[in-house]
Amino acid sequence: EVQLVESGGGLVKPGGSLRLSCTASGFTFSSYTMNWVRQAPGKGLEWVSSISSRSNYIYYADSVKGRFTISRDNAKNSLYLQMNSLRGEDTAVYYCARDGPGAIWGQGTLVTVSS
Amino acid sequence: DIQMTQSPSTLSASVGDRVTITCRASQSISTWLAWYQQKPGKAPNLLIYKASSLESGVPSRFSGSGSGTEFTLTISSLQPDDFATYYCQHFNSYPFTFGQGTKLEIK
Repeated sequence: EVQLVESGGGLVKPGGSLRLSCTASGFTFSSYTMNWVRQAPGKGLEWVSSISSRSNYIYYADSVKGRFTISRDNAKNSLYLQMNSLRGEDTAVYYCARDGPGAIWGQGTLVTVSS
Repeated sequence: DIQMTQSPSTLSASVGDRVTITCRASQSISTWLAWYQQKPGKAPNLLIYKASSLESGVPSRFSGSGSGTEFTLTISSLQPDDFATYYCQHFNSYPFTFGQGTKLEIK
């Protein structure tokens, strides 16, 4: 079955760090650009970051640049998002996604930043 | 950065209605546009890619059109399962911004 499964979300204090993981199965992970997209409670979708198939192209939204780091391990079929200096406005469900035709999204993992 | 503006923000319609949602880009994005449907508590589901290509498995009552800066998503005959929130997203250049969403409600 083609799927993406996120993990690593939870409650963290402002200024803290968290590392999200996304494990892919059922497709050739190493062939695809992968993305993180988030959705704050009751709000719309926000693109966060993208990484090319061989990690040579990486992009971030201005809202997370300098604080978040996207990476991947193709041998482990895994995508990561290291989140540092977390703020209340980073509270959201974080989705990993493969875009384009045949797009696949994970079920999301909730990150709550609160003291 | 390219801004995406959807209209309307909320749309009330009845089963069987034909509805259209519009997405405007702040600059030309050719046909680098996708449409998603999202239901509460669920991940978005791709409906349309490259402005007018129907994703596999998506009912043919969904269609997309447009190029440049103006795009539309049309549902030809609303079904009960279609009441959800719809988002456009461009893929012209990073950042790949989304529209703010259109909530389709039952009238």
